Amino acid sequence: QVQLQESGPGLVRPSETLSLTCVVSNGSISSANWWSWVRQPPGKGLEWIGEIYHSGSTKYNPSLKSRVTITVDKSKNELSLKMSSVTAADTAVYYCASGRCNGGYCYKWFQDWGQGTLVTVSS
Amino acid sequence: SFELTQPPSVSVALGQTARITCERNNIGSKNVHWYQQKPGQAPVLVIYRDNIRPSEIPERFSGSNSGNTATLTISRAQAGDEADYFCQVWDSSAAVFGGGTKVTVL
Repeated sequence: QVQLQESGPGLVRPSETLSLTCVVSNGSISSANWWSWVRQPPGKGLEWIGEIYHSGSTKYNPSLKSRVTITVDKSKNELSLKMSSVTAADTAVYYCASGRCNGGYCYKWFQDWGQGTLVTVSS
Repeated sequence: SFELTQPPSVSVALGQTARITCERNNIGSKNVHWYQQKPGQAPVLVIYRDNIRPSEIPERFSGSNSGNTATLTISRAQAGDEADYFCQVWDSSAAVFGGGTKVTVL
């Protein structure tokens, strides 16, 4: 079971870019898994942001696609999220999560989750 | 947009059975996954592919999915089952979560 740990600034100014990283331990980010970001505004539900596969291909939530980029740094064994032009509506706990793939088939449920990191957008 | 409807809250007496629904037209045609989230913690997968339980999840948790309703059932509810529960499916290659149900054990 991989372990995931998110990190990044807890406060971001409106209109700036939010940047988070997720370090993968007890496993390799180059392994046949898929990696994702999910967020949760305070007191609200879960919202999928996007995902990246071990092949490097990505998919994003259509409502966020124009502002989001998910990448992988294999040398650091970490996943990253960049979200541009943030507003107060982007205030949330951001989770990285992962799922397994085997033999080219990916099991599309969120198997492992990080503990999450709170990002507040405020001036 | 694709939405999943869950009741905001469900109450259950200690030791009794709680049922949490997740509704969407023809949801039975999709694989539904369920997550438990306790306050201040990350979600935990409790059911995947409608009715499969990860090995570390108690047998008291079960799932079903047919027609327009998927259901997570918690049998012999315990105080430790108090949490928010979210259903999730994939639609057009995007993950969609239900709004969540807060389960209270009385």
